[in-house]
Amino acid sequence: SQQGEEDPQALSIQEGENATMNCSYKTSINNLQWYRQNSGRGLVHLILIRSNEREKHSGRLRVTLDTSKKSSSLLITASRAADTASYFCATDPGTYKYIFGTGTRLKVLA
Amino acid sequence: DTGVSQDPRHKITKRGQNVTFRCDPISEHNRLYWYRQTLGQGPEFLTYFQNEAQLEKSRLLSDRFSAERPKGSFSTLEIQRTEQGDSAMYLCASSLAGQGPSINDYGYTFGSGTRLTVV
Repeated sequence: SQQGEEDPQALSIQEGENATMNCSYKTSINNLQWYRQNSGRGLVHLILIRSNEREKHSGRLRVTLDTSKKSSSLLITASRAADTASYFCATDPGTYKYIFGTGTRLKVLA
Repeated sequence: DTGVSQDPRHKITKRGQNVTFRCDPISEHNRLYWYRQTLGQGPEFLTYFQNEAQLEKSRLLSDRFSAERPKGSFSTLEIQRTEQGDSAMYLCASSLAGQGPSINDYGYTFGSGTRLTVV
């Protein structure tokens, strides 16, 4: 079963615009991570945010975490065509494994 | 090569045949995971190893599935008597973790996956 659900399921934007995707989860967590997956490939780790953190930045990525609402958001600023991919949140509920959400498919139009 | 390698990249098999996939993790990583991903969905956990010990298996892993990690190095995932419902991408990931449940700050390193098609 999957713990997280991303919203929206699909997002299409113009190059240069910002992209925001959200993740909701069900149980308490130690940390939450975001991964990117290009079509037909494995997943690439982007950023981790711990349960006691509220916001984290990495380059053009900004992640927020609201543990009271059991939700997280990923913001990609100044998007590029190369950002076209599926993005997944993954939660660590302290059970030795990550549980992935259903993903947001992002398409950045040049 | 410092990444996670999976072999083969693609496998087409007839229903009822057995298939075996291989994963070579990053050498210093002590944890190895297998996930399955179907089209349009996120990866679903199948099983994981801490060194050579298989510590957890998902309910998704029926008795037709078996995984091994001899000597705590590479791992194999075998599916016996394949069914069309087994068609999916099988992803391997590894990580370096301590003794507690939580995984390190760097998450998983995934391989490129093996895409299985059962016809």
